[in-house]
Order: sequence, then structure tokens, then C-alpha cells
Amino acid sequence: AQSVAQPEDQVNVAEGNPLTVKCTYSVSGNPYLFWYVQYPNRGLQFLLKYITGDNLVKGSYGFEAEFNKSQTSFHLKKPSALVSDSALYFCAVRAGEGIKAAGNKLTFGGGTRVLVKP
Amino acid sequence: DGGITQSPKYLFRKEGQNVTLSCEQNLNHDAMYWYRQDPGQGLRLIYYSQIVNDFQKGDIAEGYSVSREKKESFPLTVTSAQKNPTAFYLCASSIDHYEQYFGPGTRLTVT
Repeated sequence: AQSVAQPEDQVNVAEGNPLTVKCTYSVSGNPYLFWYVQYPNRGLQFLLKYITGDNLVKGSYGFEAEFNKSQTSFHLKKPSALVSDSALYFCAVRAGEGIKAAGNKLTFGGGTRVLVKP
Repeated sequence: DGGITQSPKYLFRKEGQNVTLSCEQNLNHDAMYWYRQDPGQGLRLIYYSQIVNDFQKGDIAEGYSVSREKKESFPLTVTSAQKNPTAFYLCASSIDHYEQYFGPGTRLTVT
């Protein structure tokens, strides 16, 4: 079974400082990895994905994530956080091609709330 | 939230009543999904459909039913058999089985 762990319920950071949101995963075969952001009472917005290729993936709003196969991690990063980055962040995983994961199901982590203080 | 609409945004029902949540997409996506979100628990998959007239149970399908008669529409019915239906419900769709695109959600309160 596939799973995602986001070990921090909340991350606090001062505006202008680097932001990191941690994610580790477990899946059969090669993973497809995703990050989403959710603002209050809204749906999830796609930020970025890792499918194959370069381990450093760049996404929307200045976010990036680094895939580390040996550590089974996919941490989300932003060099300089903004107050508007305050939101709930979700990491998700699914099995890659060649693995008969039913319905291409995504498994989500429990979410990490990010609070950026001015 | 792209081309996925969910209605209504807020829904209130009495215990014992069935209720249907709407999800429509104009993205021409083949696959559609329903998730339930509870505080501190992330998203859990209720049902998904990869093609019209076909759908599969997710991880928490008990007490829910769906239909997929049209590519654009994937309504979810929360039945009286669902023991704890109060939650935030999210619909999503995808075309290439990679990232999913989410609607704005429906917050259901059952009293």
C-alpha cells in the first residue's frame, strides 16, 4: 500500500526566510509525486510534480521540490516566504507507470499548515 | 479552481435524508474523483471514475453512491447510511492521470 507522511502539522516562518515543508512517501516502484496548496474553504491548487528526470522540480509561485530516492522524500521549498504563502500544503503520491495502481489513485498526506509572519 | 464547478458551496441536511452533491467539469477530462476532507486527516478517496458509465470504490465508499452518465458530470449522493456525513467534499478531474484539478468544494453539515 502506498502512503505519505508529513511529519509537521504546522510550520512557522518569518517573511523573507526560507520555507521548507517535509514529505516522505512509500510506494511500489517509481513514484509520481505532487504538491498541492489549499487556502481556507477552497479546493486544492496544483503546485508541482515529479514524474521523472531532474530531481529538482520547479513549480508555481516560486516553489520547488527535491526528489530524493534514497531517502524517499519530496520536500517542498521556497527561498523567500511571503505572508500570502500562509496556507495548508499537501503532498501526494501514486505509483508510476508499469505498476497497476487501480485508477491511478493518489494518496495524500495529512497536510502541513504554513504560517508566514510579517 | 479551473473548469470544475461544485454546487452548492454550503449544504445543510437533516439526519436520515439523502443528499446529492454536484460536480461538473468542462475540461474534457476522462477521469473524475470524489474526496472527503476532515480536519487533520487530509483527503480520503470516496469514488473515482476513469470513463463514462464506469466507476470504482475508493477507500471510504460505504454510505455513498455515484453515477457517471456524462463525461462532464460526476454527482455524489450521500445516503442516510453514511454514519458521519458532515465534512468538506472535493471533486477532482484529470486527463493524463498525473495531476488532478480540484473544484472549490462543498461543505455539508448534517444535523
